[in-house]
Amino acid sequence: QKEVEQDPGPLSVPEGAIVSLNCTYSNSAFQYFMWYRQYSRKGPELLMYTYSSGNKEDGRFTAQVDKSSKYISLFIRDSQPSDSATYLCAMKKEGAQKLVFGQGTRLTINP
Amino acid sequence: DAGITQSPRHKVTETGTPVTLRCHQTENHRYMYWYRQDPGHGLRLIHYSYGVKDTDKGEVSDGYSVSRSKTEDFLLTLESATSSQTSVYFCAISGSYAGTLGVNEQFFGPGTRLTVL
Repeated sequence: QKEVEQDPGPLSVPEGAIVSLNCTYSNSAFQYFMWYRQYSRKGPELLMYTYSSGNKEDGRFTAQVDKSSKYISLFIRDSQPSDSATYLCAMKKEGAQKLVFGQGTRLTINP
Repeated sequence: DAGITQSPRHKVTETGTPVTLRCHQTENHRYMYWYRQDPGHGLRLIHYSYGVKDTDKGEVSDGYSVSRSKTEDFLLTLESATSSQTSVYFCAISGSYAGTLGVNEQFFGPGTRLTVL
C-alpha cells in the first residue's frame, strides 16, 4: 500500500466549475502538506503549502487538511482552461527531507 | 523558477555508459534534491544535499551517486546507465542560509528527460 494515494483521473470539467482534488495518506507523522501544479513537460510548481490541519486560501485555490481522517483536498473555484494540468499532492514529516508524492491527478478544464 | 537550471534538458544514451546531470542554482539555497518521475510512481527522492559536501540517500538511490562541491551545483551521476533509469529527473531546492526561505517548501527545476537505450 502506498503512503499517499491520489486518484490519477483523468478529470474533465467545464469552465467555471468548482474542482475538488483529493489525497489520502496512511502515515500520521506527516505534518506538512503541499499541492503542486505541473504542466506538460514542465517542472512541478508549488501552489499551496499547509502546516498541520486547517484551511488555507489563495485566490481561487483552497487547501484543506483533515489529519483525523488523513485526508487532504484542493479546491479550485471558477476553474479556467489555464488550470488544465496535473496536480500532485505531497507531504513530509517534521525534520525529514523527503517529500512523499501522490501519483498526480490529470485535470482538463473544457471551455 | 527559484533560479534553478538543469543540464542537459534532454539526453539519449546507451546502456552501460556513465551519465552526469547537473543542477545549478543562483540563490544560495542550502538544500538541494534529486527526484525522478515515472508513470505510476509519481516523484521519488534519489539523493539530497544539506550543504557543501554533505549528502544523504533517498528512497531510490541504488545506481546513483551525487556530489556537491559548491553551494550552487549538485551533480547526479549514473555510473553505468540501465534502461530502468530512463526517466525524467528533477532537481529541487529549499532553505536558505539567510533564513528567507523555509526548509519545508521545495521548488523544482525544469527537469532533464533521460532515455537509456
